[in-house]
Amino acid sequence: DAGVTQSPTHLIKTRGQQVTLRCSPKSGHDTVSWYQQALGQGPQFIFQYYEEEERQRGNFPDRFSGHQFPNYSSELNVNALLLGDSALYLCASSLIGRKTEAFFGQGTRLTVV
Amino acid sequence: DQQVKQNSPSLSVQEGRISILNCDYTNSMFDYFLWYKKYPAEGPTFLISISSIKDKNEDGRFTVFLNKSAKHLSLHIVPSQPGDSAVYFCAASAGAGGTSYGKLTFGQGTILTVHP
Repeated sequence: DAGVTQSPTHLIKTRGQQVTLRCSPKSGHDTVSWYQQALGQGPQFIFQYYEEEERQRGNFPDRFSGHQFPNYSSELNVNALLLGDSALYLCASSLIGRKTEAFFGQGTRLTVV
Repeated sequence: DQQVKQNSPSLSVQEGRISILNCDYTNSMFDYFLWYKKYPAEGPTFLISISSIKDKNEDGRFTVFLNKSAKHLSLHIVPSQPGDSAVYFCAASAGAGGTSYGKLTFGQGTILTVHP
């Protein structure tokens, strides 16, 4: 059973560019959440998708957007990249409304130069 | 506004001894708490969780204690092993509304080093 998979694993972009990160949730899970983890910090919640809609959003600007597809996979898009967007981006999958753990992918390391 | 805090950036213990990692929270709406372990270049791996209706949960060498009145939880690892060396994150979730449990609020993490 494949767990949560993310692609790509590493990415280097230039300021002002746009980036798309991808995530496939664990089999059987219906909810995908995205987190940003800066160096030396804990992961920060960006947003959550369920039934192809954004359900919750953290304190991130509109430059961060996402999408969920009918097969539950998800994309995170970041426009007008800033140097401060350099971080590890983590995708987590879970079951909606359940008190169970979220499973994380290995992350995408984004470097903005 | 740091709703979940891990005030010890690092902890060093000897193999075979107990490791105690602490976490404090401020949001009284949190009702589900989790500990994750993270190695470099990997995503966080779930360790153990506890619901607010309990004060203790055990899983092998790992035990989590919850003190709701103090808004404090701790993770005990007994005995500690060198392979436990990693960054440990405390996380919390609030259940108001069906969609809320997917949103986790994390602490800053504690680097645990277990020496042979």
